[in-house]
Amino acid sequence: DIQMTQSPSSLSTSVGDRVTITCRASQAIRSDLGWFQQKPGKAPKRLIYAASSLQSGVPSRFSGSGSVTDFTLTISGLQPEDFATYYCLQYNSYPWTFGQGTKVAIK
Amino acid sequence: EVILVESGGGLVRPGGSLRLSCVASGFTFTNSWMSWVRQRPGKRLEWVGRIKSKGDGGAKDYAAPVEGRFTISRDDSKSTVYLQMSSLKTEDTAVYYCVTASYYSGLSQWGQGTLVTVSS
Repeated sequence: DIQMTQSPSSLSTSVGDRVTITCRASQAIRSDLGWFQQKPGKAPKRLIYAASSLQSGVPSRFSGSGSVTDFTLTISGLQPEDFATYYCLQYNSYPWTFGQGTKVAIK
Repeated sequence: EVILVESGGGLVRPGGSLRLSCVASGFTFTNSWMSWVRQRPGKRLEWVGRIKSKGDGGAKDYAAPVEGRFTISRDDSKSTVYLQMSSLKTEDTAVYYCVTASYYSGLSQWGQGTLVTVSS
């Protein structure tokens, strides 16, 4: 199975800050990676697919980059509604696997 | 608007069975792959399995922890996907989500989830 390692596991930050979350795959996955946002008690919401394609309706402050094994989710100018947990997902090979999550909290 | 509504969750004894349903609307269900994803309390998201559209052969794949115990099926006439769970274990306790899927973009739209609790 492909292991997805996210870092950091958690971070404390402020409104307006730039946030960067990384995800590393244990083997090459081309650009078959998505990013999801989950708020407590809610279903996840897709932000990014194919490593860098922005999901329709998602604010442009969210962006994704990377390929092969190393990927990044960047939030440029954190908003109050962005405090949540973020997960990466590889869908290159079965079983599809998620990272362990990154909790973004208010400092 | 894509809408996915799961049902069928509840409390079940270890070793028991349960069938989850997910009714879909707002998109062409017949052409869509569907997945189930679960989240144990306080844990990361975990992909459970996927069923392809009949047009793509209808193949099913499962995660190792559920292989042989869980079965995904679909009824395109009802725009519904099912997750039949048997030989349930306490570690199967989780919120189960129905999710649209594709080869090109992975998981996309999510239902609200249904809670399955396996306990004696």
